Amino acid sequence: QQQVKQSPQSLIVQKGGISIINCAYENTAFDYFPWYQQFPGKGPALLIAIRPDVSEKKEGRFTISFNKSAKQFSLHIMDSQPGDSATYFCAASISQAGTALIFGKGTTLSVSS
Amino acid sequence: NAGVTQTPKFRVLKTGQSMTLLCAQDMNHEYMYWYRQDPGMGLRLIHYSVGEGTTAKGEVPDGYNVSRLKKQNFLLGLESAAPSQTSVYFCASSLIVRGEQFFGPGTRLTVL
Repeated sequence: QQQVKQSPQSLIVQKGGISIINCAYENTAFDYFPWYQQFPGKGPALLIAIRPDVSEKKEGRFTISFNKSAKQFSLHIMDSQPGDSATYFCAASISQAGTALIFGKGTTLSVSS
Repeated sequence: NAGVTQTPKFRVLKTGQSMTLLCAQDMNHEYMYWYRQDPGMGLRLIHYSVGEGTTAKGEVPDGYNVSRLKKQNFLLGLESAAPSQTSVYFCASSLIVRGEQFFGPGTRLTVL
């Protein structure tokens, strides 16, 4: 019940296309859903995050869509660029002291030019 | 600000040896975390701390110990290294539990 399932494991998208990564969870107590971006040889960095009281959040070319009833959330990257090539992790956590993030297994995105 | 730093960056151990990984943050964050990253497994939480002097077990704590004697430092120890502990280790910190986690650059550990 603590798992966050992420798909696909890898994704190849043409430059200018839309990249879509999906995550699903079981624990309805989760109330914070961030996405992290990791470039090779670097630590992950927060990309965008959403709370369950909104269905969508957009920051530039990156959008999180959240479906509370389906217990799913997804990351959309519009106009994908070669510089977006990285590994993306979804995560979830519960707002209580001492509860850490549960990460998905990651999606490796390659944007071809 | 340096953010989150990790020492060392690379290390090779023989089975049975011990070592300590050091994580330091200069952001006055209360929460600190140790993760391991293995191919296809994502980031798995080893131990975490909600404040100075406190630690708690994560998803994969066996074979590791931690200490948080000072707020800015979080140490990860391997008492008797095993090949299964070959991994990339990341430290992270956050101001609040539901806040952004800032990650260090990682330590690549190989156990022969």
